[in-house]
Amino acid sequence: KQEVTQIPAALSVPEGENLVLNCSFTDSAIYNLQWFRQDPGKGLTSLLLIQSSQREQTSGRLNASLDKSSGRSTLYIAASQPGDSATYLCAPDNAGNMLTFGGGTRLMVKP
Amino acid sequence: GAGVSQSPRYKVAKRGQDVALRCDPISGHVSLFWYQQALGQGPEFLTYFQNEAQLDKSGLPSDRFFAERPEGSVSTLKIQRTQQEDSAVYLCASSSGTSGSEQYFGPGTRLTVT
Repeated sequence: KQEVTQIPAALSVPEGENLVLNCSFTDSAIYNLQWFRQDPGKGLTSLLLIQSSQREQTSGRLNASLDKSSGRSTLYIAASQPGDSATYLCAPDNAGNMLTFGGGTRLMVKP
Repeated sequence: GAGVSQSPRYKVAKRGQDVALRCDPISGHVSLFWYQQALGQGPEFLTYFQNEAQLDKSGLPSDRFFAERPEGSVSTLKIQRTQQEDSAVYLCASSSGTSGSEQYFGPGTRLTVT
């Protein structure tokens, strides 16, 4: 059974810092891995999807990398802003139709 | 175009009542997923549909949980004889493909069982 761990569980930084959020998973036989953002009381917003054959994906200030063999993914956020404050979730897809989520990293970016 | 919508957004049920939660996926999306998210935790998979066929229901926690998607579009998650441990946010997601496609989530239904 896939198990996903996200470190750190919580992070508070001043505005402008570059951040790295870590995700590790136990079963490397994945189709893809998605990173999501969740604001309090809201649903999940998809940020990036990395296919199993890819090493990284970029969208604006976000860059996600994938090392499938070691079961790791990182989300890099450049020049953080207060609007980036949210919970970030990673979710590998093993079966092509079922995401397994980590517990998330709660990020607070202070002005 | 419209995203995934869910109704109601909030539901309070007394223990023992039955509830029905609705999901309207993005138009044309073949796959539909239900997840359960307990407070402070990541979502957990409940069940998956491809068109009207329920291909995976391995995450449903008990036989009190039932999901359907009779016409391959709107889906309903039904919980019978609700218990306090059923209190959670129920999230619905859809994707355009049949395997390994990006999933798009709705806002969720927050169920509170008193």
